Amino acid sequence: DAGVIQSPRHEVTEMGQEVTLRCKPISGHNSLFWYRQTMMRGLELLIYFNNNVPIDDSGMPEDRFSAKMPNASFSTLKIQPSEPRDSAVYFCASSLVQGQGRGTQYFGPGTRLTVL
Amino acid sequence: QKEVEQDPGPLSVPEGAIVSLNCTYSNSAFQYFMWYRQYSRKGPELLMYTYSSGNKEDGRFTAQVDKSSKYISLFIRDSQPSDSATYLCAMREDTGRRALTFGSGTRLQVQP
Repeated sequence: DAGVIQSPRHEVTEMGQEVTLRCKPISGHNSLFWYRQTMMRGLELLIYFNNNVPIDDSGMPEDRFSAKMPNASFSTLKIQPSEPRDSAVYFCASSLVQGQGRGTQYFGPGTRLTVL
Repeated sequence: QKEVEQDPGPLSVPEGAIVSLNCTYSNSAFQYFMWYRQYSRKGPELLMYTYSSGNKEDGRFTAQVDKSSKYISLFIRDSQPSDSATYLCAMREDTGRRALTFGSGTRLQVQP
């Protein structure tokens, strides 16, 4: 069974350009999470969705960042315009949340973003 | 002060050694505690999962949670070179909010 799929795996862009990261969660999972990992700040939650609805976007750094989940099998994270400080590895994770169950989060391989 | 503190290492040990990895936290509402392993240029993968206080063992791995001290540990027995990775602790509250708060990760190197 395929895990969480992210694309692209690597993205190099110039400051000011729009960047779109994509995620396909594990089939049947109802929660999706976007994280960002940097050396300085570690792994930080940006936003998460439950049943395609954004639940908590308090980690989105600023209005340049936006995320959508149009259906249960696809999500995007967009940065417009991109800045060098956005350079990081962006992870998508999904889980199956049922009641107060553990809802283990499974991570994708990440997208390594470099903004020049 | 960060909500979750973790020594970044690196920690270098010889093969066969017992490894102890630790995290401290400040939020007393945390109830779920996890350890993730992350190999270089890969996504984190779940190793151990504990609810509230106590110990949990899985093969060579033992996770301990001491909520009174706000301290969690991961022990690796008979460490192998394949255990070389970054280990991240993570935790969350027992509420509808499912987001995890991660430690910064400890890089472990097991020397053959």
